Amino acid sequence: DTGVSQDPRHKITKRGQNVTFRCDPISEHNRLYWYRQTLGQGPEFLTYFQNEAQLEKSRLLSDRFSAERPKGSFSTLEIQRTEQGDSAMYLCASSLGHRLRAFFGQGTRLTVV
Amino acid sequence: QKEVEQNSGPLSVPEGAIASLNCTYSDRGSQSFFWYRQYSGKSPELIMSIYSNGDKEDGRFTAQLNKASQYVSLLIRDSQPSDSATYLCAVNTGSSNTGKLIFGQGTTLQVKP
Repeated sequence: DTGVSQDPRHKITKRGQNVTFRCDPISEHNRLYWYRQTLGQGPEFLTYFQNEAQLEKSRLLSDRFSAERPKGSFSTLEIQRTEQGDSAMYLCASSLGHRLRAFFGQGTRLTVV
Repeated sequence: QKEVEQNSGPLSVPEGAIASLNCTYSDRGSQSFFWYRQYSGKSPELIMSIYSNGDKEDGRFTAQLNKASQYVSLLIRDSQPSDSATYLCAVNTGSSNTGKLIFGQGTTLQVKP
């Protein structure tokens, strides 16, 4: 399978704990995006990388969120001190260039209890 | 005003009929337009992309773009029960070349046998 891969698929955590998600993009794709989707809504943009550089962050991304893409390959999204409002599906997507089509991974569903 | 607007539905059509899904966007500089299909609990799957005014056909799907009216639509011919899903309209805004997508909230399509 050469698509976008995300791990874990599901995560249940207690409020206040830290969580980290991983995304492996399609191998030749230089752009990687993180989105968050809550029930009944479309995905909302969080941040994106071109190669290893993080070029844009949404205002939705509070100081508790941090993302990295070392060496321009896989990416991690960390949420510190999780809150119940962080419960959502976290989606990763990758594309080759900005105009070309973005493909999504299966997502990580986070539940904060 | 939301940047990308869709009627949340549900849109119900009988099997074999044409389903018409509509989307409007606010940024006149938008360059790229996409339709994603999302089954319940799954991640978005890209089904169509369109970049210039007019129609683009792919199998049973036709995407239509009218930049003057800031309107993009998706037609599904010979609708099947397996087409029942939420359809997300996504726009790559022209204000930057990030490639980030702004999504509508999605239209739920129900195809009844």
